[in-house]
Amino acid sequence: GESVGLHLPTLSVQEGDNSIINCAYSNSASDYFIWYKQESGKGPQFIIDIRSNMDKRQGQRVTVLLNKTVKHLSLQIAATQPGDSAVYFCAEGILTGNQFYFGTGTSLTVIP
Amino acid sequence: GAVVSQHPSRVICKSGTSVKIECRSLDFQATTMFWYRQFPKQSLMLMATSNEGSKATYEQGVEKDKFLINHASLTLSTLTVTSAHPEDSSFYICSAPKRRADTQYFGPGTRLTVL
Repeated sequence: GESVGLHLPTLSVQEGDNSIINCAYSNSASDYFIWYKQESGKGPQFIIDIRSNMDKRQGQRVTVLLNKTVKHLSLQIAATQPGDSAVYFCAEGILTGNQFYFGTGTSLTVIP
Repeated sequence: GAVVSQHPSRVICKSGTSVKIECRSLDFQATTMFWYRQFPKQSLMLMATSNEGSKATYEQGVEKDKFLINHASLTLSTLTVTSAHPEDSSFYICSAPKRRADTQYFGPGTRLTVL
Protein backbone atom coordinates (compact mmCIF):
# COMPACT_ATOMS: atom_id res chain seq x y z
CA GLY A 1 0.00 0.00 0.00
CA GLU A 2 0.94 3.64 -0.04
CA SER A 3 3.23 5.02 2.60
CA VAL A 4 1.66 7.44 4.98
CA GLY A 5 3.79 8.61 7.85
CA LEU A 6 3.64 10.94 10.79
CA HIS A 7 6.30 13.31 12.03
CA LEU A 8 5.57 12.95 15.75
CA PRO A 9 4.69 9.65 17.40
CA THR A 10 3.69 11.28 20.73
CA LEU A 11 2.35 14.64 21.70
CA SER A 12 1.56 16.04 25.14
CA VAL A 13 -0.38 19.26 25.56
CA GLN A 14 -1.89 21.18 28.43
CA GLU A 15 -5.62 21.23 28.70
CA GLY A 16 -6.96 24.27 26.91
CA ASP A 17 -4.03 24.59 24.54
CA ASN A 18 -4.27 23.96 20.82
CA SER A 19 -2.87 20.72 19.39
CA ILE A 20 -1.37 20.19 15.97
CA ILE A 21 -0.82 16.71 14.61
CA ASN A 22 1.06 16.31 11.35
CA CYS A 23 1.03 13.69 8.64
CA ALA A 24 3.01 13.17 5.44
CA TYR A 25 1.68 11.09 2.59
CA SER A 26 3.45 9.71 -0.43
CA ASN A 27 0.87 9.01 -3.11
CA SER A 28 0.31 12.11 -5.19
CA ALA A 29 -2.74 10.43 -6.72
CA SER A 30 -4.57 10.36 -3.39
CA ASP A 31 -7.53 12.66 -3.48
CA TYR A 32 -9.20 12.05 -0.16
CA PHE A 33 -7.84 12.26 3.33
CA ILE A 34 -9.35 11.41 6.67
CA TRP A 35 -8.39 11.89 10.27
CA TYR A 36 -9.45 9.25 12.75
CA LYS A 37 -9.31 9.10 16.52
CA GLN A 38 -8.81 5.76 18.21
CA GLU A 39 -9.21 5.15 21.91
CA SER A 40 -7.62 2.13 23.49
CA GLY A 41 -9.33 -1.13 22.53
CA LYS A 42 -11.81 0.53 20.21
CA GLY A 43 -12.20 0.96 16.50
CA PRO A 44 -11.25 4.22 14.76
CA GLN A 45 -13.71 7.07 14.99
CA PHE A 46 -14.10 9.50 12.12
CA ILE A 47 -13.11 13.07 12.96
CA ILE A 48 -12.90 15.05 9.74
CA ASP A 49 -12.10 14.56 6.09
CA ILE A 50 -10.88 16.68 3.24
CA ARG A 51 -10.79 16.27 -0.50
CA SER A 52 -7.86 17.24 -2.64
CA ASN A 53 -9.71 20.17 -4.20
CA MET A 54 -9.64 21.90 -0.82
CA ASP A 55 -6.78 23.07 1.35
CA LYS A 56 -8.66 23.68 4.56
CA ARG A 57 -11.74 22.35 6.25
CA GLN A 58 -13.14 23.15 9.63
CA GLY A 59 -15.27 21.16 11.99
CA GLN A 60 -16.22 21.57 15.59
CA ARG A 61 -12.94 22.45 17.35
CA VAL A 62 -10.98 20.72 14.60
CA THR A 63 -9.39 21.98 11.41
CA VAL A 64 -7.66 19.95 8.75
CA LEU A 65 -5.12 21.56 6.46
CA LEU A 66 -3.91 19.99 3.24
CA ASN A 67 -0.78 21.02 1.38
CA LYS A 68 -0.64 19.03 -1.81
CA THR A 69 2.59 20.63 -2.92
CA VAL A 70 4.54 18.98 -0.14
CA LYS A 71 2.07 16.15 0.47
CA HIS A 72 1.38 17.18 4.02
CA LEU A 73 -1.72 17.02 6.15
CA SER A 74 -2.35 18.40 9.60
CA LEU A 75 -5.05 18.22 12.22
CA GLN A 76 -5.54 21.14 14.55
CA ILE A 77 -7.56 20.69 17.71
CA ALA A 78 -8.61 23.88 19.46
CA ALA A 79 -8.87 24.11 23.24
CA THR A 80 -7.74 20.52 23.74
CA GLN A 81 -9.64 18.62 26.40
CA PRO A 82 -8.77 15.48 28.40
CA GLY A 83 -11.30 13.58 26.32
CA ASP A 84 -9.19 14.29 23.26
CA SER A 85 -6.46 11.98 24.59
CA ALA A 86 -6.20 9.16 22.06
CA VAL A 87 -4.20 7.98 19.09
CA TYR A 88 -4.84 9.95 15.93
CA PHE A 89 -4.37 8.47 12.49
CA CYS A 90 -4.41 10.09 9.11
CA ALA A 91 -5.52 8.00 6.17
CA GLU A 92 -5.15 8.63 2.47
CA GLY A 93 -6.84 7.10 -0.48
CA ILE A 94 -8.56 7.52 -3.77
CA LEU A 95 -12.18 8.23 -3.09
CA THR A 96 -13.67 6.22 -5.92
CA GLY A 97 -11.64 3.22 -4.90
CA ASN A 98 -12.80 3.37 -1.29
CA GLN A 99 -9.50 1.90 -0.11
CA PHE A 100 -7.57 3.85 2.47
CA TYR A 101 -4.13 3.46 3.93
CA PHE A 102 -3.31 4.57 7.41
CA GLY A 103 -0.36 6.44 8.80
CA THR A 104 1.66 5.41 11.83
CA GLY A 105 -0.44 7.26 14.39
CA THR A 106 0.25 9.96 16.98
CA SER A 107 -0.57 9.43 20.61
CA LEU A 108 -2.01 12.62 22.06
CA THR A 109 -1.98 13.07 25.82
CA VAL A 110 -3.80 16.00 27.36
CA ILE A 111 -2.47 17.08 30.71
CA PRO A 112 -5.18 18.44 33.02
CA GLY B 1 -23.44 8.34 11.21
CA ALA B 2 -23.59 4.79 10.01
CA VAL B 3 -23.20 1.84 12.36
CA VAL B 4 -20.95 -1.13 11.83
CA SER B 5 -20.82 -3.98 14.32
CA GLN B 6 -18.42 -6.85 14.83
CA HIS B 7 -18.79 -10.17 16.57
CA PRO B 8 -17.22 -11.41 18.71
CA SER B 9 -15.52 -8.51 20.43
CA ARG B 10 -12.94 -10.82 21.96
CA VAL B 11 -11.92 -14.39 21.22
CA ILE B 12 -9.28 -16.66 22.65
CA CYS B 13 -8.47 -19.87 20.85
CA LYS B 14 -5.91 -22.62 20.75
CA SER B 15 -3.25 -22.75 18.09
CA GLY B 16 -4.42 -24.66 15.04
CA THR B 17 -8.10 -23.80 15.33
CA SER B 18 -10.06 -21.55 13.01
CA VAL B 19 -11.85 -18.43 14.11
CA LYS B 20 -14.64 -16.60 12.33
CA ILE B 21 -15.21 -12.87 12.79
CA GLU B 22 -18.38 -11.20 11.57
CA CYS B 23 -18.78 -7.65 10.35
CA ARG B 24 -22.25 -6.22 9.89
CA SER B 25 -23.53 -2.93 8.59
CA LEU B 26 -26.56 -2.26 10.75
CA ASP B 27 -28.35 0.59 9.05
CA PHE B 28 -27.06 0.53 5.48
CA GLN B 29 -26.09 -1.90 2.77
CA ALA B 30 -22.46 -2.28 1.90
CA THR B 31 -21.35 -3.84 -1.35
CA THR B 32 -17.79 -3.39 -0.18
CA MET B 33 -16.26 -3.89 3.23
CA PHE B 34 -12.68 -3.72 4.33
CA TRP B 35 -10.69 -5.76 6.82
CA TYR B 36 -7.78 -4.34 8.76
CA ARG B 37 -5.37 -5.76 11.26
CA GLN B 38 -3.75 -3.74 14.00
CA PHE B 39 -0.91 -4.84 16.24
CA PRO B 40 -0.36 -3.11 19.60
CA LYS B 41 0.81 0.47 19.28
CA GLN B 42 0.81 0.20 15.51
CA SER B 43 -1.34 1.51 12.73
CA LEU B 44 -4.13 -0.23 10.89
CA MET B 45 -2.96 -2.36 8.00
CA LEU B 46 -5.42 -3.01 5.22
CA MET B 47 -5.67 -6.75 4.67
CA ALA B 48 -8.34 -7.16 2.06
CA THR B 49 -11.39 -5.76 0.36
CA SER B 50 -14.53 -7.81 0.70
CA ASN B 51 -16.84 -7.61 -2.31
CA GLU B 52 -20.43 -8.73 -2.18
CA GLY B 53 -21.07 -11.32 -4.86
CA SER B 54 -17.45 -11.76 -5.88
CA LYS B 55 -14.08 -12.76 -4.54
CA ALA B 56 -12.24 -10.65 -2.05
CA THR B 57 -9.14 -8.80 -3.15
CA TYR B 58 -6.14 -9.11 -0.89
CA GLU B 59 -3.33 -6.71 -0.21
CA GLN B 60 0.17 -7.78 -1.07
CA GLY B 61 1.60 -10.15 1.51
CA VAL B 62 -1.75 -11.28 2.92
CA GLU B 63 -2.38 -15.00 2.48
CA LYS B 64 -5.82 -15.56 0.99
CA ASP B 65 -5.90 -19.18 2.13
CA LYS B 66 -5.08 -18.10 5.65
CA PHE B 67 -7.61 -15.31 5.89
CA LEU B 68 -10.81 -16.42 4.22
CA ILE B 69 -13.30 -13.70 3.44
CA ASN B 70 -16.91 -14.21 2.53
CA HIS B 71 -19.28 -11.36 1.77
CA ALA B 72 -22.48 -13.31 2.20
CA SER B 73 -24.93 -10.47 1.89
CA LEU B 74 -25.11 -6.71 1.56
CA THR B 75 -24.87 -6.37 5.34
CA LEU B 76 -22.48 -9.14 6.32
CA SER B 77 -18.85 -9.96 5.69
CA THR B 78 -16.93 -12.65 7.55
CA LEU B 79 -13.23 -13.11 8.07
CA THR B 80 -12.07 -16.59 9.01
CA VAL B 81 -8.57 -16.98 10.36
CA THR B 82 -7.71 -20.57 9.50
CA SER B 83 -5.28 -22.68 11.52
CA ALA B 84 -4.57 -19.77 13.78
CA HIS B 85 -1.13 -19.35 15.30
CA PRO B 86 0.06 -17.05 18.09
CA GLU B 87 1.45 -14.60 15.55
CA ASP B 88 -2.10 -14.11 14.27
CA SER B 89 -3.04 -12.58 17.60
CA SER B 90 -4.11 -9.07 16.78
CA PHE B 91 -6.95 -6.57 16.71
CA TYR B 92 -9.07 -7.11 13.61
CA ILE B 93 -11.23 -4.23 12.44
CA CYS B 94 -13.69 -3.99 9.59
CA SER B 95 -15.05 -0.94 7.87
CA ALA B 96 -17.60 -0.08 5.23
CA PRO B 97 -18.57 3.00 3.28
CA LYS B 98 -22.22 3.91 3.37
CA ARG B 99 -22.09 4.77 -0.30
CA ARG B 100 -19.51 4.46 -3.00
CA ALA B 101 -16.91 7.19 -2.65
CA ASP B 102 -17.93 7.82 0.95
CA THR B 103 -15.98 7.86 4.14
CA GLN B 104 -15.38 4.64 6.02
CA TYR B 105 -17.35 3.66 9.10
CA PHE B 106 -15.47 1.33 11.36
CA GLY B 107 -16.58 -1.51 13.54
CA PRO B 108 -15.49 -1.71 17.18
CA GLY B 109 -12.87 -4.35 16.44
CA THR B 110 -12.28 -7.95 17.49
CA ARG B 111 -9.41 -8.85 19.76
CA LEU B 112 -8.03 -12.26 18.78
CA THR B 113 -5.64 -14.07 21.10
CA VAL B 114 -4.18 -17.36 19.95
CA LEU B 115 -2.62 -19.46 22.68
